[in-house]
Amino acid sequence: DAGVTQSPTHLIKTRGQQVTLRCSPKSGHDTVSWYQQALGQGPQFIFQYYEEEERQRGNFPDRFSGHQFPNYSSELNVNALLLGDSALYLCASSFGTGPFEQYFGPGTRLTVT
Amino acid sequence: AQSVTQLDSHVSVSEGTPVLLRCNYSSSYSPSLFWYVQHPNKGLQLLLKYTSAATLVKGINGFEAEFKKSETSFHLTKPSAHMSDAAEYFCVVSDDSGGGADGLTFGKGTHLIIQP
Repeated sequence: DAGVTQSPTHLIKTRGQQVTLRCSPKSGHDTVSWYQQALGQGPQFIFQYYEEEERQRGNFPDRFSGHQFPNYSSELNVNALLLGDSALYLCASSFGTGPFEQYFGPGTRLTVT
Repeated sequence: AQSVTQLDSHVSVSEGTPVLLRCNYSSSYSPSLFWYVQHPNKGLQLLLKYTSAATLVKGINGFEAEFKKSETSFHLTKPSAHMSDAAEYFCVVSDDSGGGADGLTFGKGTHLIIQP
């Protein structure tokens, strides 16, 4: 049973560019959440997708957007990259919405230069 | 609104001695509480969860946590530390706000160091 997978593993971008990160949820899960983890910090909630809609959003600007596909996989897009966007981006999946435990992928390390 | 405070940024114990990682939470609703562990260069792994059932929760690898509503605490303990327990530990809260989607709110983490 495959767990949560994310691609790519590492990414280097330049300020002002755009980036797309991808996530496939754990088998049987239909909800995907995205988190940003800066170095030395706890993950911060970006948004959650369920039934192909954004259901809840954390305190992140509109430069951060996402999408969920019919097969429940998801993308995170970040436009106009800033140096401060350098972080580990984590995808988590769960079944249904609500306060259920979430299963995390290994993350994508984004470096903005 | 929900928040989590992990009271220690670093905890150092000797192998074979008890571990105590402290966490206080704030929640407007009935909270669900979790502890996650993150080993270097590895993903977050769920250790245990509290979802309004038994207040003493047992998790993997010998860890357990006790939910104390009166103290708004959810401290993580283990009777005997092992070298493999060295990692970053996160206390996490999620409100059962009834609104549907719920993101997790993480604490800043406690770095657990195990001395041989």
